Amino acid sequence: TQLLEQSPQFLSIQEGENLTVYCNSSSVFSSLQWYRQEPGEGPVLLVTVVTGGEVKKLKRLTFQFGDARKDSSLHITAAQPGDTGLYLCAGYANTGNQFYFGTGTSLTVIP
Amino acid sequence: DAGVIQSPRHEVTEMGQEVTLRCKPISGHNSLFWYRQTMMRGLELLIYFNNNVPIDDSGMPEDRFSAKMPNASFSTLKIQPSEPRDSAVYFCASRLDSWVVRGTEAFFGQGTRLTVV
Repeated sequence: TQLLEQSPQFLSIQEGENLTVYCNSSSVFSSLQWYRQEPGEGPVLLVTVVTGGEVKKLKRLTFQFGDARKDSSLHITAAQPGDTGLYLCAGYANTGNQFYFGTGTSLTVIP
Repeated sequence: DAGVIQSPRHEVTEMGQEVTLRCKPISGHNSLFWYRQTMMRGLELLIYFNNNVPIDDSGMPEDRFSAKMPNASFSTLKIQPSEPRDSAVYFCASRLDSWVVRGTEAFFGQGTRLTVV
């Protein structure tokens, strides 16, 4: 198991605020994914980052993969109530096809 | 496609009973994963199949847990005997993997919420 620590664990903010979620590990990953999970559902993929230093934007969400491919961040601009959910990073091991999930960040955006 | 289908959605059983969770992956996907999710431990990978063959079962907690994939369209996760600490949401996910393209999207089912009393 390759441990991925996410911070913060819980985050409650007002609509319109910005936030950043971090995903850190001591292991190197060949790629990293971010998922969002809503209550009663399974995780749904938001983005995959592959190259160290890569930055991807998805509307108000910005994802960055660390240069050493050990960490990643998710930045949300002008958060909306619809962004509420559990955000999970998942690292793709260099050997094998397994994905290991981070500890998760539960985000609540208050209208 | 209907996506990954898991059954049952909810299961309540008494300690010591056998529990079988079922998963139908997306047609054409060649990798299947079983995960367990709890508040304390998050999403844990239990076992991973590729082309119906178990590749990594190092996450299976104990001998009470077993998983099978008799064909490309069906997998089961069995707990026998079940214990209260097995209470969790169990997810099945499938993915199309190839040696050329790695890190593709995993599609999750809606999960089975298991409560062992």
